[in-house]
Amino acid sequence: QVQLKETGPGLVQPTQTLSITCTVSGFSLTNYYMQWVRQTPGKGLEWMGFIRSGGSTEYNSEFKSRLSISRDTSKNQVFLKMNSLKTEDTGVYYCARLYNYYFDYWGQGIMVTVSS
Amino acid sequence: DTVLTQSPALAVSPGERVSISCRASEGVNSYMHWYQQKPGQQPKLLIYKASNLASGVPARFSGSGSGTDFTLTIDPVEADDTATYFCQQSWNDPPTFGGGTKLELK
Repeated sequence: QVQLKETGPGLVQPTQTLSITCTVSGFSLTNYYMQWVRQTPGKGLEWMGFIRSGGSTEYNSEFKSRLSISRDTSKNQVFLKMNSLKTEDTGVYYCARLYNYYFDYWGQGIMVTVSS
Repeated sequence: DTVLTQSPALAVSPGERVSISCRASEGVNSYMHWYQQKPGQQPKLLIYKASNLASGVPARFSGSGSGTDFTLTIDPVEADDTATYFCQQSWNDPPTFGGGTKLELK
């Protein structure tokens, strides 16, 4: 069955870089767009960006200058890297699969705290 | 960006019917989707493209609307429906979410 799971650090210092891995099973990354969505106390749910089935990317302009999404199809993994973290970036980060314009499967999410 | 406005909270009794609204700041055609999120869990798809029930979702849930005004209806409400409900549009870029409606049972 379809599964997604995020892994990464729970605590990141301000100005540092956040790196999260989404490992998927039950489907191929070459057939679906994969999204990153975060949920913060200040802004709620925010779409961050996606990587297409073909490997190209699109980012929310809100994050464009500091966000990078990539993947390793051989390992069924999608990666998020975001630099210059601020305390306002504290929240839960989700990977989600896009199917016909909606998010049909979500990972369990990973809580990230930005603090010194 | 397209702003989606939801009322913050609703309280209903089990067995009643509840309608949760979502208003978009600009038209989104029928590309409005609804998710349920329980505390500590990820969002779960309930309704896609305004009125289509996602796989495995009870028929007590239904959706309607087009353009800028959309409604998620639960009839009848059960105790397990206590959760926050989010709308999300994918017609305009970037995709955006509503602030969520917290449903509480009396």
